[in-house]
Amino acid sequence: QVQLKETGPDLVQLTQTLSITCTVSGFSLTTYNVHWVRQPPGKGLEWMGSMWNGGGTDYNSAFKSRLSISRHTSKSQVFLKMNSLQTDDTAKYFCARHLYYGYNLFDYWGQGVMVTVSS
Amino acid sequence: DVLMTQTPVSLPVSLGGQVSISCRSSQSLVHSDGNTYLHWYLQKPGQSPQLLIYRVSNRFSGVPDRFSGSGSGTDFTLKISRVEPEDLGVYYCLQSTHFPHTFGAGTKLELK
Repeated sequence: QVQLKETGPDLVQLTQTLSITCTVSGFSLTTYNVHWVRQPPGKGLEWMGSMWNGGGTDYNSAFKSRLSISRHTSKSQVFLKMNSLQTDDTAKYFCARHLYYGYNLFDYWGQGVMVTVSS
Repeated sequence: DVLMTQTPVSLPVSLGGQVSISCRSSQSLVHSDGNTYLHWYLQKPGQSPQLLIYRVSNRFSGVPDRFSGSGSGTDFTLKISRVEPEDLGVYYCLQSTHFPHTFGAGTKLELK
C-alpha cells in the first residue's frame, strides 16, 4: 500500500540547516510527484515545494533560495534541505504524494516530523 | 499568491446536524485546462490531512456521501450533513490551480 514516512531531527539550532528525508513505498518516484507542506504549531498549512516525477522541482518563493528538494529514485527517497533556519521555521513538516493529470491533488500524506528551531 | 479565505474560523455543531464551510479565492481557480483545482481536506487532531473532496465536488475514495462540495470560479462550499463524531477536526480548502498552491486558514468543527 502507499506509504510516506518523514525522518529528521527534532531540534535544529538557529541559523543552521534542516534536512528531512521522505521515504516512500507502494509507488515509484518516477511515476508520481512528491510535495512538501509544513504546519507551525496550532496554525495552518503552507505549501513549500515539489519534486516532479521527471526530476524537476518547484519552490514557493516565500522560501527564496533557502529551500532545496532532491531525490534518490532507486532508494525511493525525497529530501528537503532548508538553510538559515529561524524560530518561525518551527513546524511539522509533511511530505505528500501528488496526483497530477487532471487531479492535481495530494492523495497520501506522511505522518509528519515535528522540528523545533532553538536558539 | 492566491489568498484563500475560509469562513467561519470555528463551527460548533450538534451530532446529526448539518453545516457549511465557505472558501473564497482572490482570483478564479479555473485552470487553462478547464478544470477547477479546489479541494477539501480534514485534519483530525494529531493526524495528517486527509482528502475529502477533489476538484470542487468529487468525493475521494471511501468518503461518505454526507460530504458534498459545490461552487465555481472564486466561491466554494463544503457541506456536511448528519455530522458524526469522526467528522470533528479542522477543515482546509486547497487551491492547486496556481503556484504557489495555497490553503485556507482552516475551519474547526467542534461539538456544541
